[in-house]
Amino acid sequence: EAGVAQSPRYKIIEKRQSVAFWCNPISGHATLYWYQQILGQGPKLLIQFQNNGVVDDSQLPKDRFSAERLKGVDSTLKIQPAKLEDSAVYLCASSLVGSMNSPLHFGNGTRLTVT
Amino acid sequence: KNQVEQSPQSLIILEGKNCTLQCNYTVSPFSNLRWYKQDTGRGPVSLTIMTFSENTKSNGRYTATLDADTKQSSLHITASQLSDSASYICVEPSFSGGYNKLIFGAGTRLAVHP
Repeated sequence: EAGVAQSPRYKIIEKRQSVAFWCNPISGHATLYWYQQILGQGPKLLIQFQNNGVVDDSQLPKDRFSAERLKGVDSTLKIQPAKLEDSAVYLCASSLVGSMNSPLHFGNGTRLTVT
Repeated sequence: KNQVEQSPQSLIILEGKNCTLQCNYTVSPFSNLRWYKQDTGRGPVSLTIMTFSENTKSNGRYTATLDADTKQSSLHITASQLSDSASYICVEPSFSGGYNKLIFGAGTRLAVHP
């Protein structure tokens, strides 16, 4: 099966600019996650979707971050305006269902550098 | 506070040697415990998912153990290869604040040298 696809692989922007990341999950996976991984740390959940509805966005900095999954398939994550501390790898993951026993499949991430 | 702590932070071993990575968790109640391997520049890939009834589980040269009493897990790598160089992340599901969440450890960075 095709894996989770993410683009772009790398992005360099200046602070206060905006940026968008795209994710296409594994076909048929209802649950989609966006994680932020700062160098040397484990991934931190930003937002979880079940189909096209938000399940958990409690750790999403909503003043600058937004995400959508309009048709319950692919998703975009946007940062506007970016700050230096947003430099990280943004990982998208999907699972068949959202239960805690369902394995997660990760994409290879987008590495964002904010200068 | 639900936490997952891993040790050591980093490890260097010679090719062919064995090693053991440790994970301590405080998450309760227990659901399952997962180990992921993350190559540089790639997303994490699942190695094992262990449930409460399993105290050992193997995936090739990787063997995970679980002690639910002490809330510890270990990942043992046998006959290491250069391709084992990666970060190994311990993950524990948690129900917190009305949401199911995965709690990720910071990982152990393993370097296998020839």
